[in-house]
Amino acid sequence: EPEVTQTPSHQVTQMGQEVILRCVPISNHLYFYWYRQILGQKVEFLVSFYNNEISEKSEIFDDQFSVERPDGSNFTLKIRSTKLEDSAMYFCASRTSGVSSYEQYFGPGTRLTVT
Amino acid sequence: AQRVTQPEKLLSVFKGAPVELKCNYSYSGSPELFWYVQYSRQRLQLLLRHISRESIKGFTADLNKGETSFHLKKPFAQEEDSAMYYCALSGLAAGNKLTFGGGTRVLVKP
Repeated sequence: EPEVTQTPSHQVTQMGQEVILRCVPISNHLYFYWYRQILGQKVEFLVSFYNNEISEKSEIFDDQFSVERPDGSNFTLKIRSTKLEDSAMYFCASRTSGVSSYEQYFGPGTRLTVT
Repeated sequence: AQRVTQPEKLLSVFKGAPVELKCNYSYSGSPELFWYVQYSRQRLQLLLRHISRESIKGFTADLNKGETSFHLKKPFAQEEDSAMYYCALSGLAAGNKLTFGGGTRVLVKP
């Protein structure tokens, strides 16, 4: 069964550094998402992406964040200048098309630790 | 704005006992409700969704629009049901993103 994959599984970075989190969605999916979960808190929506552009973003997704689908398979989340409060688990998700198909398939997550 | 509330952070039951995880939501529109489960060291995976009306691994959930609830139930809990359970909401008015509740950790004791 196809799965969403994410790399790396764990990233440690220093405050102020740029990080890129990578995701490979399921191949025939058209909608892509990033979520994050700070330790002990809810899973929160960051951004959705469709047809090579952002379709929606949350208040968390400020100018420090960007997403890109550089080729036909990868979907990346970049944080330009990391802050301590960016430490969290970041999940990528994808889903197929169709108004009635809301099921999202999640990757295993990348744990980002900012020191 | 949409919101999902799971009032219990932890549910501890004995094997064979019934378990019910509560979920309440607020949403202006027709919601799609889901239960996602996360077993230890594994990814979030869909357990069930209200539109399919399925029973998965013995779990069922009924959407009650009057009470804006989508409680998850299982009559006889098994040890392998120990996991983190998240209720989530989506819909056209929500831009199809998922809004999650805070999660309930279920611990099934032998």
